[in-house]
Amino acid sequence: GENVEQHPSTLSVQEGDSAVIKCTYSDSASNYFPWYKQELGKRPQLIIDIRSNVGEKKDQRIAVTLNKTAKHFSLHITETQPEDSAVYFCAASTTGGFKTIFGAGTRLFVKA
Amino acid sequence: DTAVSQTPKYLVTQMGNDKSIKCEQNLGHDTMYWYKQDSKKFLKIMFSYNNKELIINETVPNRFSPKSPDKAHLNLHINSLELGDSAVYFCASSPPGIGETQYFGPGTRLLVL
Repeated sequence: GENVEQHPSTLSVQEGDSAVIKCTYSDSASNYFPWYKQELGKRPQLIIDIRSNVGEKKDQRIAVTLNKTAKHFSLHITETQPEDSAVYFCAASTTGGFKTIFGAGTRLFVKA
Repeated sequence: DTAVSQTPKYLVTQMGNDKSIKCEQNLGHDTMYWYKQDSKKFLKIMFSYNNKELIINETVPNRFSPKSPDKAHLNLHINSLELGDSAVYFCASSPPGIGETQYFGPGTRLLVL
């Protein structure tokens, strides 16, 4: 069945450093790849997304890259801040599929 | 003015009981979902509804019965609760279109004793 693998499961960085989270997906029909941030005790919220016709997208300190051939996509956070500490989920879905598959999550710790 | 709301926020109950969780969205979305997030934070889809019709049932035990009285509501009833049902349950909705961005509710923390 469809699967999204996410690595690493835990990531600890120093404030100001960059953080990279990587995901791979199995369903070649997937065409939408969102990233969600979940702070402790809160709901997951979309932070950035990318569609299959685009290779890279940036929004201030966060960027996402997509390699459709390799079925890889990655989240890059630059100049990390303590408030970036959270669990980050990658996900993949297909238009009209009514189903989003989530990665297992990465717990990011940013040390001040 | 909350986009996706759920009640109750917390639910503590005994094994074998029956309980319901309610979800409402005021975003005008056609599609609604239920997700289960376990203690390891893994987020797994349970059900998808589109225009009140069940689209996806991810091999969830039939003790779980969703009901969508209209497009804005998707409720979840759970019969004969078991210890393993303890988790956070998130309702979500998404607009139609090329991408299915999920708008999550605040979650219902269910603890079965």
